[in-house]
Formats: sequence, structure tokens, C-alpha cells
Amino acid sequence: DARVTQTPRHKVTEMGQEVTMRCQPILGHNTVFWYRQTMMQGLELLAYFRNRAPLDDSGMPKDRFSAEMPDATLATLKIQPSEPRDSAVYFCASGLLPNTGELFFGEGSRLTVL
Amino acid sequence: DQQVKQNSPSLSVQEGRISILNCDYTNSMFDYFLWYKKYPAEGPTFLISISSIKDKNEDGRFTVFLNKSAKHLSLHIVPSQPGDSAVYFCAASGTSYDKVIFGPGTSLSVIP
Repeated sequence: DARVTQTPRHKVTEMGQEVTMRCQPILGHNTVFWYRQTMMQGLELLAYFRNRAPLDDSGMPKDRFSAEMPDATLATLKIQPSEPRDSAVYFCASGLLPNTGELFFGEGSRLTVL
Repeated sequence: DQQVKQNSPSLSVQEGRISILNCDYTNSMFDYFLWYKKYPAEGPTFLISISSIKDKNEDGRFTVFLNKSAKHLSLHIVPSQPGDSAVYFCAASGTSYDKVIFGPGTSLSVIP
């Protein structure tokens, strides 16, 4: 049963600390997305990769966020330094694009920055 | 500037009645429109989609209607069941458009 796996599921940290979230996409999917769920914006697109190459990270605060895909089985989202306003649920999703846009989501990483 | 809009943050419906969730978009490049369903503490899951060349797609109790001229789509759930209570996200994508853009979501409560 193929699925997207995200770690950690929950993370509580203090302001200024580095946070790394990891995602294992579904094997064979060529596109990986990072979204952040907020009350106002819903699912906010942060960055995405096609065949491991970054296509767009304009949704991320560049000074503190970075996204990488070191290999086909791992995508990472790093926040350094973290701030309380970064508290949210971060979702990774993968799919075969361009197509209908059907994506498969992980269960999310809930980040709390104190 | 939100390209996909869901103007109703929440909706409450009696069990057995029809639920209608609405979505508007601004970008004419979108070829496909999708609805995702999200339960608390879970990731969104794909529910139903429609191509821009169609005006209706039906899957069991779920039907999506597309009005291209108005840049509007809606999801109908008939009959609504308590298990349908969730957040519903409208999303848009396309063969010439790399991204999948989501709306802010509508929280549906189906009251027994």
C-alpha cells in the first residue's frame, strides 16, 4: 500500500532552533510538494520539485526556509531559525504531473514553536 | 492574490439533505479542478475531479459541476451523511500548469 510518509508527526521547539521535516514520497511519483496549512490561507504552497529539481520555492520565506530533495526517496524542509509564526501543520504530497492534479498527501508534521 | 477561492469557511447541513460547496477561480490556464477531503489529524485525500472540457462529473453521492464562463465550480453531496463532516478543499491544476493550487477550505458539518 503505497503512501507518503512524513516525520516527525509532532514537533515542539523553542524559538531560534532549527527544525527539519522529512518526507518519503511514493516511489515513481515525479513531483513532490510542500504545503503549509494555515487558518487564513488554507493549504499554502511553499515549494515543489519535479524529478528532484526545485521548480518553485517562491512561497517560502527565503531567509529562514529551505527545501531540498537529496534523492528520490527523501524530501526535506528546514526552518532555521524557527519563529512562533511558523507554527502550523506542514504537508508533503507527491504525484505524477502534469496531469489531473491528483496528489497523495502525508499525514502532516505539526510544528509548534514556543 | 488567491487564485482559488472558497468564500464559505463553514457549512452546516442536516443528515440526508444536500450539501453544496462552492469554489471560484481566476486563472483561465487551469485544466482540471479537484476536491479533496480532510479529516482532523490526517492529510487531505482526493475525492473527485473534473476536466475543463466537461460540465459535470458524478461519483456515487458526489457530483461536481463546472461553469467555465463564470469560473465557478461546486460540489454536491446527496444525501449528506455524518461521516462527510470534514474540511473540503477545492484545487486547480492543468497540463500546462505545473502547480496544484488549493483554496482555503470549507468545513462541513453534517448534523444527525
